[in-house]
Amino acid sequence: KNEVEQSPQNLTAQEGEFITINCSYSVGISALHWLQQHPGGGIVSLFMLSSGKKKHGRLIATINIQEKHSSLHITASHPRDSAVYICAVRPGGSNYKLTFGKGTLLTVNP
Amino acid sequence: NAGVTQTPKFRVLKTGQSMTLLCAQDMNHEYMYWYRQDPGMGLRLIHYSVGEGTTAKGEVPDGYNVSRLKKQNFLLGLESAAPSQTSVYFCASRTGGDGQPQHFGDGTRLSIL
Repeated sequence: KNEVEQSPQNLTAQEGEFITINCSYSVGISALHWLQQHPGGGIVSLFMLSSGKKKHGRLIATINIQEKHSSLHITASHPRDSAVYICAVRPGGSNYKLTFGKGTLLTVNP
Repeated sequence: NAGVTQTPKFRVLKTGQSMTLLCAQDMNHEYMYWYRQDPGMGLRLIHYSVGEGTTAKGEVPDGYNVSRLKKQNFLLGLESAAPSQTSVYFCASRTGGDGQPQHFGDGTRLSIL
């Protein structure tokens, strides 16, 4: 079983919809990252969380350490949000390494 | 400010050939990483480095070697390429200290025939 599980694997939405992508993990962590990968493109870091909630523009990330769960929300989704969203965790005691989920492919149709 | 630059972007090799992938970062980062990304799988760590002159094995190091002779460069070598090494390779770097994000290159798409 993967240490990091994302759901759903694929998500199709209409422009303007509210999007939620979930990430569950099975190990103790010191931080959780959300990353974005556009088709054929590189990977960029969106958020890093160790507790609570962070917001950047239309993106909101939350984490519940006790439940080992994080969510990434996109408000008022747009076709340019179409990408793969990747959850990654830094296991407690590791300052160096991340463990990655398989990613969620989001397609937002106009 | 280029960030993390990977060279080359694409390459096709024949089984048994060797090659080196170059990762260069201009952010004076201590930590550098090589990952591979395969369909249906998350990014997997091949090797990493916590500073100039140091390297360490990740999850999937077999068939690869690395070197970090200069702080800004992290080289990934395939001594004898195999079809199983067909993948997209990503390099990343980060500064030291808690809670710092990794900065990724654009990837190298490698096909081994």
